[in-house]
Amino acid sequence: QKEVEQNSGPLSVPEGAIASLNCTYSDRVSQSFFWYRQYSGKSPELIMSIYSNGDKEDGRFTAQLNKASQYVSLLIRDSQPSDSATYLCAVNAGNNRKLIWGLGTSLAVNP
Amino acid sequence: GAGVSQSPSNKVTEKGKDVELRCDPISGHTALYWYRQSLGQGLEFLIYFQGNSAPDKSGLPSDRFSAERTGGSVSTLTIQRTQQEDSAVYLCASSLAGEKGRETQYFGPGTRLLVL
Repeated sequence: QKEVEQNSGPLSVPEGAIASLNCTYSDRVSQSFFWYRQYSGKSPELIMSIYSNGDKEDGRFTAQLNKASQYVSLLIRDSQPSDSATYLCAVNAGNNRKLIWGLGTSLAVNP
Repeated sequence: GAGVSQSPSNKVTEKGKDVELRCDPISGHTALYWYRQSLGQGLEFLIYFQGNSAPDKSGLPSDRFSAERTGGSVSTLTIQRTQQEDSAVYLCASSLAGEKGRETQYFGPGTRLLVL
């Protein structure tokens, strides 16, 4: 059974701090990794995708991938109250287009 | 351009009734996915269509659930003899064919189904 694990939270950080969200996956052949954000009552929207080991930065967001340790993380710098949402990690094993989804981490950024 | 659309946005039905949920993917997207999300839970994969290939139905929870995709575009998810445990948000997503496994899935707003 392929699994994607996330700490459910809630993760609470003060405004302006760095929020660190982590995700581990079980399938070693996984190739593609996605972070989605889901506001309460809304549908998921893509934040970042990452395919190679290392860091990928996009504005205040940095995704980090370590395939040897089978984890992917998302850092949010200068966290804002508008970043308060559930962050979903999704992993693709490569042989098809299905994603395996984590249950999400709830983030609360306090003003 | 227009995103993924779903209808109805909300549906209330009585136990035992059949319901149909509709999804219009982004124009040109060849892959279409249906998910279910119960309150406070993660995304549960239901079914996946890719072009003219046979759909991947491995996530359908029972034979009361079925889906079709006509003309490679619009999809309908049908739930027969609804049960209270079917109450959830049903999400549709589509993606553009690209390097396998790297396509971004774009989600519609969902249909909130309540079975009384």
